[in-house]
Amino acid sequence: DGGITQSPKYLFRKEGQNVTLSCEQNLNHDAMYWYRQDPGQGLRLIYYSQIVNDFQKGDIAEGYSVSREKKESFPLTVTSAQKNPTAFYLCASSIRGLAGYEQYFGPGTRLTVT
Amino acid sequence: DAKTTQPPSMDCAEGRAANLPCNHSTISGNEYVYWYRQIHSQGPQYIIHGLKNNETNEMASLIITEDRKSSTLILPHATLRDTAVYYCIVRPLYTGTASKLTFGTGTRLQVTL
Repeated sequence: DGGITQSPKYLFRKEGQNVTLSCEQNLNHDAMYWYRQDPGQGLRLIYYSQIVNDFQKGDIAEGYSVSREKKESFPLTVTSAQKNPTAFYLCASSIRGLAGYEQYFGPGTRLTVT
Repeated sequence: DAKTTQPPSMDCAEGRAANLPCNHSTISGNEYVYWYRQIHSQGPQYIIHGLKNNETNEMASLIITEDRKSSTLILPHATLRDTAVYYCIVRPLYTGTASKLTFGTGTRLQVTL
């Protein structure tokens, strides 16, 4: 089955530690995205990548880093510089990175930092 | 993305039609209306989109007013599994700019027995 996988579903970390969230897609999509969702809020874009080896900052990139070495993978690292890292993180992909193409979402990773 | 306004919550009896409204009075000519939904603790799911004509697929129907300032998502026979937050988004199509979905707080639809 084609789709987007995120692992793990729940992640717990101590404050001051970096943590990497996994996102893999087998849809052969060019573009991939990372969003953050806080309780009762909509989604906010962290980073996006329109093509391999290229990525752009979204609205709230501070404290996060990404890489796009392979078409199917777009890992997100939450660094210790992110002041409020506890949130629900969603990865998405689309055929192309241009406005208008539907985005398909993974199941999400809920990160708790204490 | 243009701003949208949706009611914070709605209830619907199972088996009845759920009509979810969305106001987008500042929508511009090249912007489409998209609907996504998010079931609790899952990723959002694409439902439907349209420009100015009414659209229907296996999940829902989308009715857009003639002036395009508002739209209604219709779930014809709501089931308990349709309980979710529904997001209405307006965005341009194929403009060459990078894609970004701007989600507001949406409408929380509760389907009851």
